[in-house]
Amino acid sequence: GAVVSQHPSWVICKSGTSVKIECRSLDFQATTMFWYRQFPKQSLMLMATSNEGSKATYEQGVEKDKFLINHASLTLSTLTVTSAHPEDSSFYICSASLAGSGNTIYFGEGSWLTVV
Amino acid sequence: GDSVTQMEGPVTLSEEAFLTINCTYTATGYPSLFWYVQYPGEGLQLLLKATKADDKGSNKGFEATYRKETTSFHLEKGSVQVSDSAVYFCALSEAAGNKLTFGGGTRVLVKP
Repeated sequence: GAVVSQHPSWVICKSGTSVKIECRSLDFQATTMFWYRQFPKQSLMLMATSNEGSKATYEQGVEKDKFLINHASLTLSTLTVTSAHPEDSSFYICSASLAGSGNTIYFGEGSWLTVV
Repeated sequence: GDSVTQMEGPVTLSEEAFLTINCTYTATGYPSLFWYVQYPGEGLQLLLKATKADDKGSNKGFEATYRKETTSFHLEKGSVQVSDSAVYFCALSEAAGNKLTFGGGTRVLVKP
């Protein structure tokens, strides 16, 4: 079946550095992907909508210069956390929609980011 | 705007007990409704969904019926197992393939 894969699953980085998280649709093309953030024991909050070939659409309160999203191909979206700080430590998860399957939304495995 | 409200956890049950997790929503249109499950240390998995009023989604013994009149989508399972221990999220989407609005999640712990 359709699979969305994220990489890396776990990443630890130092404060002030940048880290990139990849989201790939393995069996299908996804013109739109979504990036969510989940703090411990909280729900998922949508950060941005990633559109292939165009700029991402960010939710209110999300800093677009800090969370850079690039959707360069129909199977890959990347989220780069720039100048990371400990408060950016969180679980980041992406999703993609498979057209023709009732537009079922599939999630990646998620990426745990710890900034030290 | 859209919102989803689900009962707070944690919910602690014994094996073979009946599980209900309440979920209500507010939306401007006619959303699709979903239940996602998140097992410890993992991402989200779609558990079931319903796309229109009176539809019943079912999977792995779980069921939920789209009730437009009460704007609800309660999740039920007749006999839970230890392996059902997870966090359950109710969610809605206003448009096909569109972004999801999640409830706060309900942690379920099933004890042997």
